Amino acid sequence: GAVVSQHPSRVICKSGTSVKIECRSLDFQATTMFWYRQFPKQSLMLMATSNEGSKATYEQGVEKDKFLINHASLTLSTLTVTSAHPEDSSFYICSASDRDRHYNEQFFGPGTRLTVL
Amino acid sequence: GENVEQHPSTLSVQEGDSAVIKCTYSDSASNYFPWYKQELGKGPQLIIDIRSNVGEKKDQRIAVTLNKTAKHFSLHITETQPEDSAVYFCAASIGDFNKFYFGSGTKLNVKP
Repeated sequence: GAVVSQHPSRVICKSGTSVKIECRSLDFQATTMFWYRQFPKQSLMLMATSNEGSKATYEQGVEKDKFLINHASLTLSTLTVTSAHPEDSSFYICSASDRDRHYNEQFFGPGTRLTVL
Repeated sequence: GENVEQHPSTLSVQEGDSAVIKCTYSDSASNYFPWYKQELGKGPQLIIDIRSNVGEKKDQRIAVTLNKTAKHFSLHITETQPEDSAVYFCAASIGDFNKFYFGSGTKLNVKP
């Protein structure tokens, strides 16, 4: 139980294009989803927290107009990187939590490797 | 906000030996402390967690201890195996369903 998937696993795009990453909770309802960014050999950096049906709460320094987050259903959240540039290249990971079933646990997806040329 | 420090950054042990990774936190209001294992190119996997009302928790070869007074918690892996090689992250959370503050990670290498 508590499986989270991400799609795509890898994406390569040209500078200036937008990329959408999907995060799905497969066997539970995710009342809260988190989006992280991870640079090579570094820790996870929280970008934003989203609760189903509400606007995402972004961490300080994260541009909300560049990283659009939608959490329209209890099993799906999307992160759209708009007008991507090479500096946006990174490993993006989502996590999900269900307030009714899990205490504070966050279950992570497998990550999406974004490369912007 | 909360600050979590993790040591060591790298750890090499011989297969069968024990490994210990330590974390300290700054906010005494933190009440949930998970440990994650991350293999190369994959997302973190929860391996064990502990809540602030418990001092120790064990699951087969893995154990976590928490010292609330000193504000530190540790991961203990006994009888290490090559497949334990990965990066391990500790985290702390304040309150319920709140964000995690992650440590900087420990790269564990178990030599056969």
